[in-house]
Amino acid sequence: AQRVTQPEKLLSVFKGAPVELKCNYSYSGSPELFWYVQYSRQRLQLLLRHISRESIKGFTADLNKGETSFHLKKPFAQEEDSAMYYCALSPALNTDKLIFGTGTRLQVFP
Amino acid sequence: GAGVSQSPRYKVAKRGQDVALRCDPISGHVSLFWYQQALGQGPEFLTYFQNEAQLDKSGLPSDRFFAERPEGSVSTLKIQRTQQEDSAVYLCASSLAAGYSNQPQHFGDGTRLSIL
Repeated sequence: AQRVTQPEKLLSVFKGAPVELKCNYSYSGSPELFWYVQYSRQRLQLLLRHISRESIKGFTADLNKGETSFHLKKPFAQEEDSAMYYCALSPALNTDKLIFGTGTRLQVFP
Repeated sequence: GAGVSQSPRYKVAKRGQDVALRCDPISGHVSLFWYQQALGQGPEFLTYFQNEAQLDKSGLPSDRFFAERPEGSVSTLKIQRTQQEDSAVYLCASSLAAGYSNQPQHFGDGTRLSIL
């Protein structure tokens, strides 16, 4: 079964602390992995995707196929990072549908 | 407009009524997706269109749910004989290309549906 697991509903850190939002997936093939973010009163938007191997707003995520994980990391959290973060998987078949995790709310305190 | 537009933003209906939710994708976007997001959950895939063709409707929870995109642009999600469990935010997303390219999906603000 295709599934994305985000074990933490809420992650609270102080400004300047490192952040790691966990994501594990279950899929038998070679999926594409994404992180989407939803800031307060804004729509869901793409943060980054594993095939790009880029850093966006200081965030990075590395696909670990052995551990079936795609954790999102940032060395120094900022208050403006406070948001809801969703990990998502695309089966990369003939549709681009996304399978989302339940999301992790990140709170960064001053 | 610059982004995906959904209407109405909020919809309240009595159990048993039919509802229709509209999605206006970004101009020129081939792919269109509908997702259902229940409270405290992530979005769940409902259906996918490539232009006017509905290529995947595996996520539609029952035959009360019907989606169309007759001219390959605007899409409507219709729910017949609504039930309380249909209460959710319905998200529409569009992307430029189709298939393996996995272009980023651009989401609308969603329609929050409440069934009384």
